[in-house]
Amino acid sequence: DAGITQSPRHKVTETGTPVTLRCHQTENHRYMYWYRQDPGHGLRLIHYSYGVKDTDKGEVSDGYSVSRSKTEDFLLTLESATSSQTSVYFCAIGQGEDIQYFGAGTRLSVL
Amino acid sequence: GNSVTQMEGPVTLSEEAFLTINCTYTATGYPSLFWYVQYPGEGLQLLLKATKADDKGSNKGFEATYRKETTSFHLEKGSVQVSDSAVYFCALDSSYKLIFGSGTRLLVRP
Repeated sequence: DAGITQSPRHKVTETGTPVTLRCHQTENHRYMYWYRQDPGHGLRLIHYSYGVKDTDKGEVSDGYSVSRSKTEDFLLTLESATSSQTSVYFCAIGQGEDIQYFGAGTRLSVL
Repeated sequence: GNSVTQMEGPVTLSEEAFLTINCTYTATGYPSLFWYVQYPGEGLQLLLKATKADDKGSNKGFEATYRKETTSFHLEKGSVQVSDSAVYFCALDSSYKLIFGSGTRLLVRP
């Protein structure tokens, strides 16, 4: 998985609780991305980062926040999880206008 | 805005059959185009890419040609195997971000 680790791999939580997903890379890539995958929608970009402390919103950013305090770590936080955020979340890394490499995914269930 | 449209699946084929998965795109300019594959329980991995018009990407027997005139990037393989069963995603690069199609599931039967 190109030196990308997502944690946790599976999580079940309750509506209204905060959740943080972690993406860790060992490739020193500048760009990091968070996507969610839902049936019929493919992958949709939530947020991305183009450097330490440099982040921007993607297509479906409402209800999510991110932080990148180190090159290797990109955190995705659901401040107050809702059932609509039940999904599979993928982290990806890249060097910009080129191939992105994906982690193995985190399956999140919000009950 | 930029978008990608893929044929809906599942596509079910017998082993050694010919595969085509259609992909068309809408974009300003000439973005790089990609096919990614997702095997069960795994993340996405790059299958092939093309960076300019008339480029042909190829890998593992799969091919796709960047057609500017028809804004298409159809995936083809001459003889599929059971091990090709997976979900295939077409994508384009849009200012350092990927825009994906909805994915096409391929099932190959022995």
